[in-house]
Amino acid sequence: GDSVTQMEGPVTLSEEAFLTINCTYTATGYPSLFWYVQYPGEGLQLLLKATKADDKGSNKGFEATYRKETTSFHLEKGSVQVSDSAVYFCALIDGSGNTGKLIFGQGTTLQVKP
Amino acid sequence: GAVVSQHPSWVICKSGTSVKIECRSLDFQATTMFWYRQFPKQSLMLMATSNEGSKATYEQGVEKDKFLINHASLTLSTLTVTSAHPEDSSFYICSARDPRDYTDTQYFGPGTRLTVL
Repeated sequence: GDSVTQMEGPVTLSEEAFLTINCTYTATGYPSLFWYVQYPGEGLQLLLKATKADDKGSNKGFEATYRKETTSFHLEKGSVQVSDSAVYFCALIDGSGNTGKLIFGQGTTLQVKP
Repeated sequence: GAVVSQHPSWVICKSGTSVKIECRSLDFQATTMFWYRQFPKQSLMLMATSNEGSKATYEQGVEKDKFLINHASLTLSTLTVTSAHPEDSSFYICSARDPRDYTDTQYFGPGTRLTVL
């Protein structure tokens, strides 16, 4: 079945450092891909998404490009801030059976130090 | 963007009692909502898919008699944890699909922290 794998955390960075959180997926067909962010004690917020190969999703300085050839959707940000500290989830829409279910990665905790 | 709310944001109850959690889509009509459970420092576990006007579809291993889901209107789904026990303590999050969004994006509520004493 479909699956999503994220890099292990926590990722600890200093403010203004460059961020990459790796995400790879296994899926039948061409699923839509998502990054969600979860701040402590809160629900998930949609950060960005991409629906087809070579699409680039972007929001709040974060970017991710849908790479079909490497089945990847890595999250990047050029200069992180302390306020970016959160858990980041990569996810895809389950393409089998048209259920609309989201398949999540295990989440990656980002800690940004001043 | 699409907004989803949950109520209450946290609840503490005694073992053996039932607790109802509401999930509302505020600015759109959601024919499909989802209920998740999240344990500390873990990813989300899908419990069930809630479809307006029909029975919910539960994931394998989720007790449907314990976690009652009702999706009575296009803007409201409820999750009732019946005869709650301490092992039911968790963070429960709902999401909804906005039918105006062809990408099937799910928009999440802020979550409900349930503590069973």
